[in-house]
Order: sequence, then structure tokens, then C-alpha cells
Amino acid sequence: EVQLVESGGGLVQPGGSLRLSCAASRFTVSDNYMSWVRQAPGKGLEWVSIIYSGGSTYNADSVKGRFSISRDNSKNTLYLQMNSLRAEDTAVYYCASGFGDSLKWGQGTRVTVSS
Amino acid sequence: DIQMTQSPSTLSASVGDRVTITCRPSQSISNWLAWYQQKPGKAPKLLIYKASSLESGVPSRFSGSGSGTEFTLTISGLQPDDFATYYCQQYHTYLWTFGQGTKVEIK
Repeated sequence: EVQLVESGGGLVQPGGSLRLSCAASRFTVSDNYMSWVRQAPGKGLEWVSIIYSGGSTYNADSVKGRFSISRDNSKNTLYLQMNSLRAEDTAVYYCASGFGDSLKWGQGTRVTVSS
Repeated sequence: DIQMTQSPSTLSASVGDRVTITCRPSQSISNWLAWYQQKPGKAPKLLIYKASSLESGVPSRFSGSGSGTEFTLTISGLQPDDFATYYCQQYHTYLWTFGQGTKVEIK
């Protein structure tokens, strides 16, 4: 069964940095487009970032210049480097991917930005 | 960005009811529309992809229809496990956007 497993979340102070990881199994990260989506407490879903199989990346305006998506093909893992974190970045972060015509999601990792 | 207008925001229903949720994108997305169910503290669970394809393992009482700028999710015979929040999502563009959610409550 295809699985995406996020890790790296935690408590960080405003202005700090964190790197999230998304490890894939029975699924090749570099063959598919991969995204990060977040959900703030009590709120809806917000797309954050995408990396295509060819390597092109795009970010939501709310994180542009602060977040960076990347992947390590040898580790079959997706990353989200988050810098200059703000209180409003507090959320559960999910990795997700196109999978044929369908989509696959991980279970999420929680990020809390607070002093 | 494609705006997704989902309605209603809240729906009160009883076990056994037929329930319909609507999602209207601000522009045509062909049939690149997914529906999710989410329960508190859990990740969204994919129910329907490409507007009408049932995800493996999802009960057949869930169905999706529509194309272009109007889509519906129907639950035929609401079960106790179905009380949750439902979201639509377009993946026609890389900038995925989501409906604001429909909370299905017990009447």
C-alpha cells in the first residue's frame, strides 16, 4: 500500500526554522508531483507548496520567500524547509501527491509557532 | 486562483437521510475535483476523485457527479459514521484550492 509519512513538526519560536519530511513507501517521489497542504487549528485546508517531477516548484503567496520545497530522490523523501516562522504558520502540515488521476495524503505533522 | 464555493456550511440530518453537498468553482476545472471526509484530529480521507470515481474502500453510498463549474457529493443513506466535515478540492491547477467545508451534524 502506498504510504506518505510526515515528520519533523514541533514547537518553535517566532522567527525560527523547521524542516518537515515526508517519507514515501511503495511510491516514487520523483515520478510524481508532490505538495504540502496545511490546516490551522479550527480552519480549512490551505495549499502551501508544490514540486513537479521535473523539479519546478511553486509556493503560496503566504509563504513565498520563507518556505522552500525540495526532495531527495535517493531517500525517496519530500521536504519543506520553513524559515522566519510566524504564529499564523501554526498548523498541521500534510504532504500529498497526485497518484494517477487520484491523490494520496499523509497523516500530517503538527507545527506550533509560539514563544 | 480558482475560488471554491461549497454549500451548505452546516447540514443537520438523520441516519438514513439522503444528503447532498454542492461545490462551485469560480471557473471550469473539467472534472479535476476531489471530495474528502474529515473527523476531528484526523487527516482528510479521500472519498471521490476526478469528480465521480470512488476511492478504493469507500462505501458505495458515497457518490460524486458534475463537471466544469458545478459538482455534488451525495450520501445515500446517512450512517452514524458519516457525521463529519466534508471538503471539496480542485486539482485542475497546481494551486490547489478547497471549499470552506460542510459540517454534517446529527439532527
